[in-house]
Amino acid sequence: KAGVTQTPRYLIKTRGQQVTLSCSPISGHRSVSWYQQTPGQGLQFLFEYFSETQRNKGNFPGRFSGRQFSNSRSEMNVSTLELGDSALYLCASSLGLAGEGGEQFFGPGTRLTVL
Amino acid sequence: AQSVTQLDSQVPVFEEAPVELRCNYSSSVSVYLFWYVQYPNQGLQLLLKYLSGSTLVKGINGFEAEFNKSQTSFHLRKPSVHISDTAEYFCAVWKDGAGGTSYGKLTFGQGTILTVHP
Repeated sequence: KAGVTQTPRYLIKTRGQQVTLSCSPISGHRSVSWYQQTPGQGLQFLFEYFSETQRNKGNFPGRFSGRQFSNSRSEMNVSTLELGDSALYLCASSLGLAGEGGEQFFGPGTRLTVL
Repeated sequence: AQSVTQLDSQVPVFEEAPVELRCNYSSSVSVYLFWYVQYPNQGLQLLLKYLSGSTLVKGINGFEAEFNKSQTSFHLRKPSVHISDTAEYFCAVWKDGAGGTSYGKLTFGQGTILTVHP
């Protein structure tokens, strides 16, 4: 069974640009969560999608958005990039809602560098 | 707000020695507890989880953790480490939301870098 895949693995952008990251969950998983990982702030929850609906959101500005498609694939978008957005963005999928105690399976992440 | 504190940012240890990675959480309600491991340039992999039941939880790669409700701790242990255990370890807590549109969220500690020396 294929794991969680994220594309692209690496991205370099400049300030002010926007970026879209993609996540394909494990087949059959309906929940997709996104996290930002930085050396200073650690792992922070961005949002969770389940059945194409955002179910929960972390404390990030509105520049960070996401969506989920009917096949459970998810994208996250960051507009008007800032230097501080440089991070590893991790996607995780699970069978049900993450809050049901189910295991979350993580992808390898997308490393975003903002110059 | 709940928080997770990993008491050691770095833990160096020699191969075949025992190790304990400490994690404390703050929450007045029931939570789910997790330990994840992250190898360089990879995502996170679940080591073990506590949802309910026995307070001693066994995970993969010989790791185990003990849930202590009175001390709000969930320390990770391994009796004998290997070079391949060198990685960063994260403790995480899931707390349910208040209901309605809030489905809770997973909160991670700052991570502990375990370095196993030969």
